[in-house]
Amino acid sequence: QVQLQVSGPGLVKPSETLSLTCTVSGGSTSGYYWTWIRQPPGKGLEWIGYIYYSGNTNYNPSLKSRVTISADTSKNQFSLKVTSVTAADTAVYYCAKNKVAFDSWGQGTLVTVSS
Amino acid sequence: QSALTQPPSASGSPGQSVTISCTGTSSDVGGYNYVSWYQQHPGKAPKLMIYEVSKRPSGVPDRFSGSKSGNTASLTVSGLQADDEADYYCNSYAGSNNVVFGGGTKLTVL
Repeated sequence: QVQLQVSGPGLVKPSETLSLTCTVSGGSTSGYYWTWIRQPPGKGLEWIGYIYYSGNTNYNPSLKSRVTISADTSKNQFSLKVTSVTAADTAVYYCAKNKVAFDSWGQGTLVTVSS
Repeated sequence: QSALTQPPSASGSPGQSVTISCTGTSSDVGGYNYVSWYQQHPGKAPKLMIYEVSKRPSGVPDRFSGSKSGNTASLTVSGLQADDEADYYCNSYAGSNNVVFGGGTKLTVL
């Protein structure tokens, strides 16, 4: 059973860049989409985007201008960067493995945007 | 792309059945058989309960079932148990390699 672990700063200043990494263990990254999803406090889930194991990416149109997802296959890691953050980007950020559905999730990490 | 529409809340007594709806459009729910449902307990990551409209992952009780009619998908929980109390989210493929979530439904077991 694959396991996913999110890591990164829990506090980011407004206008700066949010950076998170998801480390995959216990399985191969091949054949799957590796996805970022976030959840503002008390609110619902929002799909951010994914990177396919081949390197192709796709992003939520509402976030596309500020989001980059990349992968380091040698380390079994994929990363998220969100630029020019505001308080609206405060959320629990999850990474997930996806083929036809999000079948494995990381534990999530709260990122707060505040000065 | 707009979020799928779910009722904010649903409830039922232990042993009863409850159905949660998820309404989209012909561009998402109605256009593809890639609807999935997730259960989320407070402070926990979501857990996949149903995929491809009606398929259950290994380990998910058969009390959970999914269906779809037109632009509306549904999750039915039968034989309600206390541990079923959680938030439930639907998700659908929305074309052009995009996906969309529903706003979530809080299920209360009375």
